[in-house]
Amino acid sequence: QLQLQESGPGLVKPSETLSLTCTVSGAPIKSSTYYWGWIRQPPGKGLEWVGSIYYGGSTYYNPSLKSRVTISEDTSKNQFSLKLISVTAADTAVYYCARAGAEAGYYFDYWGQGILVTVSS
Amino acid sequence: EIVLTQSPATLSLSPGERATLSCRANQSVSNNLAWYQQKPGQAPRLLIYDASNRATGVPARFSGSGSGTDFTLTISSLEPEDFAIYYCQQRNNRPRTFGQGTKVEVK
Repeated sequence: QLQLQESGPGLVKPSETLSLTCTVSGAPIKSSTYYWGWIRQPPGKGLEWVGSIYYGGSTYYNPSLKSRVTISEDTSKNQFSLKLISVTAADTAVYYCARAGAEAGYYFDYWGQGILVTVSS
Repeated sequence: EIVLTQSPATLSLSPGERATLSCRANQSVSNNLAWYQQKPGQAPRLLIYDASNRATGVPARFSGSGSGTDFTLTISSLEPEDFAIYYCQQRNNRPRTFGQGTKVEVK
């Protein structure tokens, strides 16, 4: 059974860097039949796609964050990561990692439980 | 960027009733649209993909329809566990975008 687990600091200071890792178990992250993404949700608000990483390592980011965000992978650890620089209070959100699989039309069919990251001094 | 507008914002219904949720895109997304269900404190769950295909394990009371700019999620007869927030999402263009959500609450 595929499982995803987010990890990282729950509190980040303004202007610093938010770094999260998603550990995948039950399947290799390197596959042409799915890709991986980060989605966030500010408290009490809707969902926002942050970005995705594809087979071969290509990445796409939300233009609203593009200059600040980096998604990378570590196949040796079966993990992929999110880095968001120069954070502000507006980046406070639950961050989810998710898989988009071919068998579900490349929509996000497996999700981590989410991790709340608060940006505050 | 494709903007998805969901209506209504809140739907107040009783168990056993039929729920009809709408998602409208500001430009065509073909059939590249999904529906998710989210309960408090939980991650979203994929219900419908490619506008009308039920995801694995999703009960038959959930159905999706539409193409182009207008989409509908129908819950034929609400069960107690169906009261939640529902989001649509398009993958026709980047950035991927979500609607703002429709809350289905107990009347």
